[in-house]
Amino acid sequence: NAGVMQNPRHLVRRRGQEARLRCSPMKGHSHVYWYRQLPEEGLKFMVYLQKENIIDESGMPKERFSAEFPKEGPSILRIQQVVRGDSAAYFCASSHGGGAEQFFGPGTRLTVL
Amino acid sequence: AQKITQTQPGMFVQEKEAVTLDCTYDTSDPSYGLFWYKQPSSGEMIFLIYQGSYDQQNATEGRYSLNFQKARKSANLVISASQLGDSAMYFCAMRDPGNQFYFGTGTSLTVIP
Repeated sequence: NAGVMQNPRHLVRRRGQEARLRCSPMKGHSHVYWYRQLPEEGLKFMVYLQKENIIDESGMPKERFSAEFPKEGPSILRIQQVVRGDSAAYFCASSHGGGAEQFFGPGTRLTVL
Repeated sequence: AQKITQTQPGMFVQEKEAVTLDCTYDTSDPSYGLFWYKQPSSGEMIFLIYQGSYDQQNATEGRYSLNFQKARKSANLVISASQLGDSAMYFCAMRDPGNQFYFGTGTSLTVIP
């Protein structure tokens, strides 16, 4: 009865590199959400996906950030050409339906040197 | 416009006492959901309690209860009989009809032995 899994838990990248964050939702959940938490702040919505579809990406920065949730495999949040300001905790949540409660993963802490 | 407001950056409570964490929200939608999450120092987000906008009664989950005052647009979390393990950040969140979540900036609760 595994919960939401995220890996890696910690990721260190140098400026200009790419960061790939993975999220495996709870069993039976087909809705995935990504959030970013900057230090001393609450979570900010980034993107909401269902299998193979982006439902709402209104919180995603226009450049360098992308997300996918393929038919098979985990959801991926990809950040290209990372900058120091991308350093944050990135949380994934999943739910079994659009209006259901969201269960959060442990987060990935990205540090950009 | 701020959707969720938590005005208490830090709170202290004596062990075994009750504490109320404030949360106000802003929406013109008649249908919404209100959530509280706990984030301990380890970083994960733990779901505590949920209140639907049409629910007539205040939600309760063990030592947690949600004081829902719809006309005032407030959804305060009450923790009864505080324990040392309750020391953490607490986030209030609102889900809109589009299933997007908005989080407050959090309240840091410290339980004093």
